[in-house]
Amino acid sequence: KAGVTQTPRYLIKTRGQQVTLSCSPISGHRSVSWYQQTPGQGLQFLFEYFSETQRNKGNFPGRFSGRQFSNSRSEMNVSTLELGDSALYLCASSLGGSYTFGSGTRLTVV
Amino acid sequence: AQSVAQPEDQVNVAEGNPLTVKCTYSVSGNPYLFWYVQYPNRGLQFLLKYITGDNLVKGSYGFEAEFNKSQTSFHLKKPSALVSDSALYFCAVRSGGATNKLIFGTGTLLAVQP
Repeated sequence: KAGVTQTPRYLIKTRGQQVTLSCSPISGHRSVSWYQQTPGQGLQFLFEYFSETQRNKGNFPGRFSGRQFSNSRSEMNVSTLELGDSALYLCASSLGGSYTFGSGTRLTVV
Repeated sequence: AQSVAQPEDQVNVAEGNPLTVKCTYSVSGNPYLFWYVQYPNRGLQFLLKYITGDNLVKGSYGFEAEFNKSQTSFHLKKPSALVSDSALYFCAVRSGGATNKLIFGTGTLLAVQP
């Protein structure tokens, strides 16, 4: 079966710009979670969407937002990018206590 | 509050020797526990999980983990390490309530020397 697809794989953006990342979960999975991974902070939870509703949100500023569509695909958006937003962004598709991660999007802010 | 601790930043082991990567957790209620492995510039790859049942969980690539409720530990083990096992390993616990939020440890870098 197809895994979790994240696009794009790599992004380079300039400070102040905004960016949108996409995550397509495994077919039939209605829950999608997003995580930010940095060398200093490790893996931190951003938010979770279930059936198009945000079910939980991590401790990130309002510049970080997300949404989920009726086909369970999810997007996250970061506005007014800062250098500190440079990270690997991972999404996880889950069902019944199983979590499958995508390969991530590497965002570099210059 | 839920938390996961991986006390070792790095574990070094010779190829062919047994390996252990340590994890302790703090969670209210019954824990859902996970181990993931990450290779450079890649996502997280699932190794194994404990939800209920037998305390010894067998996973992918010969890895296993033992759930110890009294010590609140979930150490990852493998009887014979391979050089290809060298990677970053994360322990995680599912947060309680109606959520799929995972709380991760800080990760342990496993280095297997030939």
